[in-house]
Amino acid sequence: GNSVTQMEGPVTLSEEAFLTINCTYTATGYPSLFWYVQYPGEGLQLLLKATKADDKGSNKGFEATYRKETTSFHLEKGSVQVSDSAVYFCALKPGSNDYKLSFGAGTTVTVRA
Amino acid sequence: GAGVSQSPSNKVTEKGKDVELRCDPISGHTALYWYRQSLGQGLEFLIYFQGNSAPDKSGLPSDRFSAERTGGSVSTLTIQRTQQEDSAVYLCASSPVGAGNTIYFGEGSWLTVV
Repeated sequence: GNSVTQMEGPVTLSEEAFLTINCTYTATGYPSLFWYVQYPGEGLQLLLKATKADDKGSNKGFEATYRKETTSFHLEKGSVQVSDSAVYFCALKPGSNDYKLSFGAGTTVTVRA
Repeated sequence: GAGVSQSPSNKVTEKGKDVELRCDPISGHTALYWYRQSLGQGLEFLIYFQGNSAPDKSGLPSDRFSAERTGGSVSTLTIQRTQQEDSAVYLCASSPVGAGNTIYFGEGSWLTVV
């Protein structure tokens, strides 16, 4: 079946530090990969996505590259801000007729000033 | 509005009562999903609609949970005889058909069973 394994949190960083959240997946075929973010008290928002191997998704200074050879989609940001404090979810959508989104467990990130 | 709309945003109900949660997807989106997020937990898939039919309802926790969708648009999730363990945020999402298309989430309905 399809599954997503995400780095366990919580993660606490200082402002301007480098952030990496690891995400690996198991899927048949050619899935699309997503990072969603949930800010405190808000709903899930799409952060970035990639639909095929070697694609790089980017948004708000965050980047993730779809690596088929390592089945990974790690999220990175070079210099975090306090406003990046949130829960981050890696997700997979299969490329076949199954349109169900499979989520990782979520990683809570806290950025201190 | 432009996004997925859910109502009520907050609901407190007594144990044993029935509740209905409503979702208005983005216009034109044929796929609709319900997920549940319990405190401190991840996202749990409940049910998926394609148009008015539900090809995947594998995530519904028990027969107290049911959902329907009418006119290829509005969906209602019904929980009968609510229990305290049903307390969670119920998230609705929609997307156009297509493997790479983004799934857009609503703000959620916070359900508390007392």
